[in-house]
Amino acid sequence: GAGVSQTPSNKVTEKGKYVELRCDPISGHTALYWYRQSLGQGPEFLIYFQGTGAADDSGLPNDRFFAVRPEGSVSTLKIQRTERGDSAVYLCASSFVWGRIGEQFFGPGTRLTVL
Amino acid sequence: TQLLEQSPQFLSIQEGENLTVYCNSSSVFSSLQWYRQEPGEGPVLLVTVVTGGEVKKLKRLTFQFGDARKDSSLHITAAQPGDTGLYLCAGGYNFNKFYFGSGTKLNVKP
Repeated sequence: GAGVSQTPSNKVTEKGKYVELRCDPISGHTALYWYRQSLGQGPEFLIYFQGTGAADDSGLPNDRFFAVRPEGSVSTLKIQRTERGDSAVYLCASSFVWGRIGEQFFGPGTRLTVL
Repeated sequence: TQLLEQSPQFLSIQEGENLTVYCNSSSVFSSLQWYRQEPGEGPVLLVTVVTGGEVKKLKRLTFQFGDARKDSSLHITAAQPGDTGLYLCAGGYNFNKFYFGSGTKLNVKP
């Protein structure tokens, strides 16, 4: 079956530009997560959706970062006025969870490079 | 500052050797997960432990959750080259939010 897919796989942009990163979760998974992984580090939690709503966005670093999941399936992470420090691999994960610990299935990530 | 500290950061061993990697925190977690990540891919879940003192075995891998639910270890018996990868622990405060350590990069040489 299809796993979590992320597009694009690589994105190179210039400082100050706007970027959108897309995540297609596993069909039927209610929960969706975004993480950021810098070189040599573990994934850093950004935001978690349960259905269409952001249940926890406490990991978003500042107001340049925003994520949506309008129909409870595909999600888009949006970064405005990109900075060189935003360069990282952005990981998306989905899980099916109802009041228990759900297994998170990760996508391969989008490598963002801000020049 | 990392909430979860993993040690060692790097480990290079010969095929057939045993090894243990550690995940420590000053915080108490409701659950702890171990993942393995290979280059260019997302992490893959190996195990979830939820009870203090719990031990789980997955073939040659043994996972232990500390009694106080602050630390965990992963022991690999007779390591194989296919075990090579980045091993990450992740602590959860609730069902859905996890904090990852920075990982242990394991290289098993044939």
